[in-house]
Amino acid sequence: TQLLEQSPQFLSIQEGENLTVYCNSSSVFSSLQWYRQEPGEGPVLLVTVVTGGEVKKLKRLTFQFGDARKDSSLHITAAQPGDTGLYLCAGPVSNDYKLSFGAGTTVTVRA
Amino acid sequence: GAGVSQSPSNKVTEKGKDVELRCDPISGHTALYWYRQSLGQGLEFLIYFQGNSAPDKSGLPSDRFSAERTGGSVSTLTIQRTQQEDSAVYLCASSRQGYGQYFGPGTRLTVT
Repeated sequence: TQLLEQSPQFLSIQEGENLTVYCNSSSVFSSLQWYRQEPGEGPVLLVTVVTGGEVKKLKRLTFQFGDARKDSSLHITAAQPGDTGLYLCAGPVSNDYKLSFGAGTTVTVRA
Repeated sequence: GAGVSQSPSNKVTEKGKDVELRCDPISGHTALYWYRQSLGQGLEFLIYFQGNSAPDKSGLPSDRFSAERTGGSVSTLTIQRTQQEDSAVYLCASSRQGYGQYFGPGTRLTVT
């Protein structure tokens, strides 16, 4: 059983459309991280959210941490083919270094 | 600057053989992590090294798995008597303590 549940598992959209990816848990996290992974590469850290209700923006990507720090979302505005990849959320468990990862959402943006 | 490097990038081995996977972390990063990523799954924590402290081996799935970190830098993950269920991508990451993790490209292990 995954500590962090991500949805949807797969998402395929046309260039220019918007999309939202969700990361949910029944547990409270001190922080959550979002990574993007491209085929044949390791995950790349996009953002860390640490405060309940926090919103962070990274160009066309908007990350939100739930008020209760049990969930997070990633919204992409006007998606581009370069946004294609596996999006993973992760949060620390038991110590501040051991991360639990969600299974990921595979996003495909068609030109 | 150089990122985290891993070798080999791909490894095909026969069931029952031993394999060694290598990780070169970013210079100056005191923390080093090994993860396993299976198809359709997220990353599974295997082991964590921090400086000279005893490693956290709590994620190693069996005693066939072991890891070393020499001189606080390079790390080797060893899998003895490989099984087909060991087939996965093995990812290494490093970080400065308390900061985000930087991942290498991974080693794809296939056990036939």
